[in-house]
Amino acid sequence: IAGITQAPTSQILAAGRRMTLRCTQDMRHNAMYWYRQDLGLGLRLIHYSNTAGTTGKGEVPDGYSVSRANTDDFPLTLASAVPSQTSVYFCASSSLAAGELFFGEGSRLTVL
Amino acid sequence: AQSVTQPDIHITVSEGASLELRCNYSYGATPYLFWYVQSPGQGLQLLLKYFSGDTLVQGIKGFEAEFKRSQSSFNLRKPSVHWSDAAEYFCAAPNYGGSQGNLIFGKGTKLSVKP
Repeated sequence: IAGITQAPTSQILAAGRRMTLRCTQDMRHNAMYWYRQDLGLGLRLIHYSNTAGTTGKGEVPDGYSVSRANTDDFPLTLASAVPSQTSVYFCASSSLAAGELFFGEGSRLTVL
Repeated sequence: AQSVTQPDIHITVSEGASLELRCNYSYGATPYLFWYVQSPGQGLQLLLKYFSGDTLVQGIKGFEAEFKRSQSSFNLRKPSVHWSDAAEYFCAAPNYGGSQGNLIFGKGTKLSVKP
């Protein structure tokens, strides 16, 4: 089934550790996004990529980095995790800049 | 600045009752508009979208939404709610102002369904 695959589904991490959340799409969408979802704050954009080889900062980029080496993959890295990065992370993609987003199932990250 | 507002944080309705979830937007021009649903532990799924044309839009799972320019609203409706509709609902519109090309989401409305 075509769509977005995120891994891991869930992870508990010690503060200070490095973590990479993986995201792969098979819809050949140009644009990909990482959001975090927190209670009462809704969805907030972390980083985005409008096309392979380019990335940009969203609303809450600090402490996160991304890369877009090819169309399909868009990993999100936490270089040194902190407890405030405990959240549910969603990867999404779209074929148009202002078009609908398709979401993965999410990665629940707990930083202790 | 562009914004999407969902005034209701939490709504409870009885199974079989009608439902209306409110969404207001603040944009200079008529935006594209979307409604997404998120079941517990799941990602967001597109319910319906408005791009242009007919202001009453039909979506999946029996939902519809009406775009009203005069009220800057895009309210989601369902005539008879089922217990499986319990979820969180998000209204969204494109972020035209920035270079990001992504959607701005409302804070969401959590729907509970009473038996």
